[in-house]
Amino acid sequence: DADVTQTPRNRITKTGKRIMLECSQTKGHDRMYWYRQDPGLGLRLIYYSFDVKDINKGEISDGYSVSRQAQAKFSLSLESAIPNQTALYFCATSDMGRDTGELFFGEGSRLTVL
Amino acid sequence: ELKVEQNPLFLSMQEGKNYTIYCNYSTTSDRLYWYRQDPGKSLESLFVLLSNGAVKQEGRLMASLDTKARLSTLHITAAVHDLSATYFCAVDMRGGADGLTFGKGTHLIIQP
Repeated sequence: DADVTQTPRNRITKTGKRIMLECSQTKGHDRMYWYRQDPGLGLRLIYYSFDVKDINKGEISDGYSVSRQAQAKFSLSLESAIPNQTALYFCATSDMGRDTGELFFGEGSRLTVL
Repeated sequence: ELKVEQNPLFLSMQEGKNYTIYCNYSTTSDRLYWYRQDPGKSLESLFVLLSNGAVKQEGRLMASLDTKARLSTLHITAAVHDLSATYFCAVDMRGGADGLTFGKGTHLIIQP
């Protein structure tokens, strides 16, 4: 089983719908991140969290919200999806204890907004 | 604002050849990462470079970091088809405080 699990892996939805992408990890890492990948743009940081009580906006947080339900779970929500939120979304974790900053990625959630 | 630039963004090369991918970044940092992504897949960590002058090698890939020049290179030696992928560099500006900032990626195709 993957150490960082994302659900759903694929989702097609319509404009205006609320969507939640979920991420859970068994790595025991403190830090969790949500990134968005668009062709030709690399990965851009949406939100990140260093523990359950700590949530921080990234580069492109508008239109998104997050919830850190437990150390192992970090969810990303689109309250009212729009077509330009069509992208591949990645959850990632890192270990503050080792402090190398290395990120470990989930398998990705492909979201299409029609 | 930290900017990370990779070049080239697209590279087609023949098996057996050598080539280098460059990663420049705009602000002071001594922590740089290289990742590999296969089509439709997740990102796999290749190298973690944590100090000036760091050099790491794995098989036909070698990465180095020059923090004074704000430059990292990923060198491919005697390329083989299996190395075809997209390669990303990423920079950690604040010791992990803000996550990593990624370049746009280098799409590498190695032809037999």
